[in-house]
Amino acid sequence: QVQLVESGGGLVKPGGSLRLSCAASGFTFTDYYMSWIRQAPGKGLEWISYISGSTHTIYYVDSVKGRFTISRDNAQNSVSLQLNSLRPEDTAVYYCARSRGWYRPFDSWGQGTLVTVSS
Amino acid sequence: DIQMTQSPSTLSASVGDRVTVTCRASQNINTHLNWYQQKPGKAPKLLIYAASSLQSGVPSRFSGSGSGTDFTLTISSLEVEDFAIYYCQQTSSTPVTFGPGTKVDIK
Repeated sequence: QVQLVESGGGLVKPGGSLRLSCAASGFTFTDYYMSWIRQAPGKGLEWISYISGSTHTIYYVDSVKGRFTISRDNAQNSVSLQLNSLRPEDTAVYYCARSRGWYRPFDSWGQGTLVTVSS
Repeated sequence: DIQMTQSPSTLSASVGDRVTVTCRASQNINTHLNWYQQKPGKAPKLLIYAASSLQSGVPSRFSGSGSGTDFTLTISSLEVEDFAIYYCQQTSSTPVTFGPGTKVDIK
């Protein structure tokens, strides 16, 4: 069955860095775009980045552009998100999710990993 | 960016009630609209895609309708397990954006 498992979250100071990973299994990984979506405590959902199956297409929401970097390793069936210059407002649960295209719905999600940015 | 709004923000209902949640887009998104259900401490789950298509495995009491800028999610007869937060999402243009959510709680 389809599984997405995130890891790498934790407590980091403002200005610090963190690398999140998402391990995928149970489907043909290269057939899917992979996205990161975050949810601040008690708040709604914010999509932040996607990467195409071939890695040729990448997109970021403005609020993370220049600070976050998405990548994927199709040999390892994994997608990563490098978070740099972290701010307290980046505190959230970060989910990875898959879709058939950037314009398609997220039909499977991971369980999420919590990133807390605080001094 | 396309802004999504939902109403109401909270809806109190009883088991067996018919429930309707509304979602509005700030511009025409045709039928590029999806609905998700989220329970506390869990990831969102896709319910409806392309405005009215039921995701595999989702009970038929859930339905969606609409096109353009106005959409609805309907639960025909509320079950205990349906108390959750519901989000709409547009995938008409990047960045894809979500509505603020509608919490369905127990009356």
